[in-house]
Amino acid sequence: DTAVSQTPKYLVTQMGNDKSIKCEQNLGHDTMYWYKQDSKKFLKIMFSYNNKELIINETVPNRFSPKSPDKAHLNLHINSLELGDSAVYFCASSQDREGRETQYFGPGTRLLVL
Amino acid sequence: AQTVTQSQPEMSVQEAETVTLSCTYDTSESDYYLFWYKQPPSRQMILVIRQEAYKQQNATENRFSVNFQKAAKSFSLKISDSQLGDAAMYFCAYRAYWQGGKLIFGQGTELSVKP
Repeated sequence: DTAVSQTPKYLVTQMGNDKSIKCEQNLGHDTMYWYKQDSKKFLKIMFSYNNKELIINETVPNRFSPKSPDKAHLNLHINSLELGDSAVYFCASSQDREGRETQYFGPGTRLLVL
Repeated sequence: AQTVTQSQPEMSVQEAETVTLSCTYDTSESDYYLFWYKQPPSRQMILVIRQEAYKQQNATENRFSVNFQKAAKSFSLKISDSQLGDAAMYFCAYRAYWQGGKLIFGQGTELSVKP
């Protein structure tokens, strides 16, 4: 059984479009995260949610909006896509709010903006 | 601001040999965690090993061990008896105790294993 899953795995789209990436975890964890891995493979946190409450909001353009319908899901919606948004987006989850427990990552979604 | 630095963009090791990947970090916090994650070509991020800063004993997981030097802010990963499946990108990561789980990653080290 997949612990942290993301859909889609690949996403190719045109500049200016709006797209969403979905994430689901079946580990019963309280906290979920979004990370971005750029073309140089550098990973950086974007957001974290604990039980549907926004905890971390890094300096991310407001075109990116996370949405957490329940604690098992954290979706990422991106408006007006730009070329620089091309990256791999990882969802992760951990048991606790403070993030002391290990974070488990999803398989990543490769987004390509043309 | 906390930072993590991996100064070796690429490393290579012969199968069955030992290799050490370097990582240094900068923080003013006294309580934190350090991690090594592995990212094979499949892209999946896999936790290799974890170290709590308050523990003096170095963490070990089978063939993987760390050398944690808190005063020097150094956290290296040693892989013994390297296997072909160890070939991957390795990321060192830091997480402060009270910052809500925010992982700060280094730039990564690409490890290749020669048969």
